[in-house]
Amino acid sequence: NAGVTQTPKFRILKIGQSMTLQCTQDMNHNYMYWYRQDPGMGLKLIYYSVGAGITDKGEVPNGYNVSRSTTEDFPLRLELAAPSQTSVYFCASSDWDRNNEQFFGPGTRLTVL
Amino acid sequence: AQSVTQPDIHITVSEGASLELRCNYSYGATPYLFWYVQSPGQGLQLLLKYFSGDTLVQGIKGFEAEFKRSQSSFNLRKPSVHWSDAAEYFCAVGAGQAGTALIFGKGTTLSVSS
Repeated sequence: NAGVTQTPKFRILKIGQSMTLQCTQDMNHNYMYWYRQDPGMGLKLIYYSVGAGITDKGEVPNGYNVSRSTTEDFPLRLELAAPSQTSVYFCASSDWDRNNEQFFGPGTRLTVL
Repeated sequence: AQSVTQPDIHITVSEGASLELRCNYSYGATPYLFWYVQSPGQGLQLLLKYFSGDTLVQGIKGFEAEFKRSQSSFNLRKPSVHWSDAAEYFCAVGAGQAGTALIFGKGTTLSVSS
């Protein structure tokens, strides 16, 4: 199993541009999450999904959108990139019987200039 | 509200010395507790977890952690640190229900000196 994969690894955007961060998991997990990590701040939840077709906001959802059309994929969309969205983004997944144990992807480092 | 505090932002330990990283949590019910490690430029890897039962849990890479309910703590320990342990360490608390987010501490950066 590849686990959780994320693309791209790095990206530089200009203010106002849009992009989609891709996340795929091959463990057949029901639950998927997007976190952002800022220096010295730990990880904060952006959005999460409890299954295909169901998504919900986390702690810091503003400026982002998600969709979950399949169990495997959970893309994160930035519509109008802002410098405040410069961060490292992590996707994670977990299964219904794993008591919060989450498996993380390698991350996407995004810079907005 | 749930929260996790890691009081030490940065710790330096000599190679071969023992290590203890502190973690305090705030949670109303029995917490589900985790320690993750992040090497530079990498994702997060689970070191160990506590759900219930024995309060001393063993993890990968020779790490262990002890849950102390009376102190609301879940400190991470290793008897002898290796240079490859240099990384950032995150403590996290969960509600125990799949589909809910983890609450992370701000992390402790470990440097290992020779």
